[in-house]
Amino acid sequence: AQSVAQPEDQVNVAEGNPLTVKCTYSVSGNPYLFWYVQYPNRGLQFLLKYITGDNLVKGSYGFEAEFNKSQTSFHLKKPSALVSDSALYFCAVRGDGGSTLGRLYFGRGTQLTVWP
Amino acid sequence: NAGVTQTPKFQVLKTGQSMTLQCAQDMNHEYMSWYRQDPGMGLRLIHYSVGAGITDQGEVPNGYNVSRSTTEDFPLRLLSAAPSQTSVYFCASSPTWTASSIHEQFFGPGTRLTVL
Repeated sequence: AQSVAQPEDQVNVAEGNPLTVKCTYSVSGNPYLFWYVQYPNRGLQFLLKYITGDNLVKGSYGFEAEFNKSQTSFHLKKPSALVSDSALYFCAVRGDGGSTLGRLYFGRGTQLTVWP
Repeated sequence: NAGVTQTPKFQVLKTGQSMTLQCAQDMNHEYMSWYRQDPGMGLRLIHYSVGAGITDQGEVPNGYNVSRSTTEDFPLRLLSAAPSQTSVYFCASSPTWTASSIHEQFFGPGTRLTVL
């Protein structure tokens, strides 16, 4: 069965420091992975996705994610955090076939707070 | 393009009442979906549709009905509202959703529903 785990409910980082939001996944077939961000009282916005190819995926707003097949991880990273990056971040994996193909499975979310 | 629109933004129901949450997209997307977001649980898929006339169940379909008579619209019906259905509901769409096409989903702004 497909699943995503975000082991940290909260991540706090000072502005200007690098940030990492962790995600691990479980899927039996090829992993198709996504990161979304949600600002308060808003819908989710797409940041980036991994389909195949380079393990380092670059996305919107300076974010990138590193895919690691051996560790089944897809951590979101940014070299220098901004206060405006403070939001709720979700990792998601697409269902890999059969009755799950039409589904996207989300983690519980990680609240990122960037302190000035 | 307006993208994905949802109405209403807020709704309060009494237990047992029925209502329809509206969702529309103007991007000619084949795939549409409904999620509910509850604190600490991420987003969970309720129902989805891969095209007009085709719908399927997600992770938490009980108590909800959908139909897809046009490409643009994907309403979600609560047949007899229960307090457990208090949540924030998001509609999303994607160009296609097949085994070989991996697209991100575009989310609407959400509907906050309270069932008393």
